[in-house]
Amino acid sequence: EDQVTQSPEALRLQEGESSSLNCSYTVSGLRGLFWYRQDPGKGPEFLFTLYSAGEEKEKERLKATLTKKESFLHITAPKPEDSATYLCAVQVSTGNQFYFGTGTSLTVIP
Amino acid sequence: GAGVSQSPSNKVTEKGKDVELRCDPISGHTALYWYRQSLGQGLEFLIYFQGNSAPDKSGLPSDRFSAERTGGSVSTLTIQRTQQEDSAVYLCASSSPTVTSGISTDTQYFGPGTRLTVL
Repeated sequence: EDQVTQSPEALRLQEGESSSLNCSYTVSGLRGLFWYRQDPGKGPEFLFTLYSAGEEKEKERLKATLTKKESFLHITAPKPEDSATYLCAVQVSTGNQFYFGTGTSLTVIP
Repeated sequence: GAGVSQSPSNKVTEKGKDVELRCDPISGHTALYWYRQSLGQGLEFLIYFQGNSAPDKSGLPSDRFSAERTGGSVSTLTIQRTQQEDSAVYLCASSSPTVTSGISTDTQYFGPGTRLTVL
């Protein structure tokens, strides 16, 4: 069964304290892995797409990496404005579906 | 350019009533998705439209749920005889498939959602 699991469920960091969020997946075939940011009361905002193991993408303080079984979202020297829920999604190679994890709620304390 | 828009932003209804939720996708996007997001749950896929092809309805939870997409643009999600368990945020996303290194993927752009509360 196709499945996406994110950990931890919640993470509190001091401003400037770097950390990583995990997204592990079990799917029949990976077409792409997506990271989104979701602020309260808003729809998810696209961050990155990763296609194959070994690929990395960066944007400001965020860096996403991908292996054959998991993806990490590394946050370097986070700021309070990075506080949000980060969602991971997998598009499988068969069918049209995306499978979403339940997200990691990140709080960055000034 | 304009993003995905959804209306209404909030809808409160009584159990047993029908509701219609609207989604305006990004102009030129051929694919449109509906999802349901309940508290503490991941996004649950409901239905997928791609161009003029028959929609993928495999995620609809019951026959009370239906959706249509007119003219390949605006979509309406209809929930008949609403139940309290239908209370959730309903999100719409649109995309246009892209090919990278020979692989076709869909980067979805989401609307702000409609928060549905069934009393």
